[in-house]
Amino acid sequence: NFMLTQPHSVSESPGKTVTISCTRSGGSIGSNYVQWYQQRPGGSPTTLIYEDNQRPSGVPDRFSGFIDRSSNSASLTISGLESEDEADYYCQSYNDNNAVVFGGGTKLTVL
Amino acid sequence: QLQLQESGPGLVKPSETLSLTCSVSGDSINTNKYFWAWIRQPPGKGLQWIGSVYHSGNTYYNPSLDSRVTISGDTSKNQFSLTLSSLTAADTAVYFCASLLGGSYFFDSWGQGSLVTVSS
Repeated sequence: NFMLTQPHSVSESPGKTVTISCTRSGGSIGSNYVQWYQQRPGGSPTTLIYEDNQRPSGVPDRFSGFIDRSSNSASLTISGLESEDEADYYCQSYNDNNAVVFGGGTKLTVL
Repeated sequence: QLQLQESGPGLVKPSETLSLTCSVSGDSINTNKYFWAWIRQPPGKGLQWIGSVYHSGNTYYNPSLDSRVTISGDTSKNQFSLTLSSLTAADTAVYFCASLLGGSYFFDSWGQGSLVTVSS
């Protein structure tokens, strides 16, 4: 199988831009779609990005996803940071045997 | 809009078997649009995919849990269930059921989660 590695935590000030990385080890990042979820304390995850860079309806365009094949990684960028963005963020992908893998999660602190 | 709701015991003894059920409304679990999945989250830790079942009955499990897990669907009740055997304290977690959209492979609806504590 493969792994997805995220930074344990990131922090940035309100109004700024932050990027969270998700590096795939074992296989190519471009082989299977990557999704991103936001989870606030005590809540269920919600989808921010699916199919690498698609936003579900209702998700602000401050959230964007990108695939970098050169570094075998995906990234989530949040611009115009707001205090309500403080949460845990998870990347997720899968393999050709329908096995799902989550990254370890990144805690975003809005200073 | 799909809605999912977990149900089951909040406390289970070590070495026993956990059984959880997810009730689905808004679509039939017999649809070929979704896989039906279980994910868990130990306190203070990240998300772990447990496994998924497709309308065909095909199942897919996390290799680290494969020997202890069974996921199945009950179309008559529009529910799917999880059994996890030989429990230890390490299985203490919030257990979520979710719908996994085929093709895109993202979880587009989640239950609210059910806390299961393994303790004597």
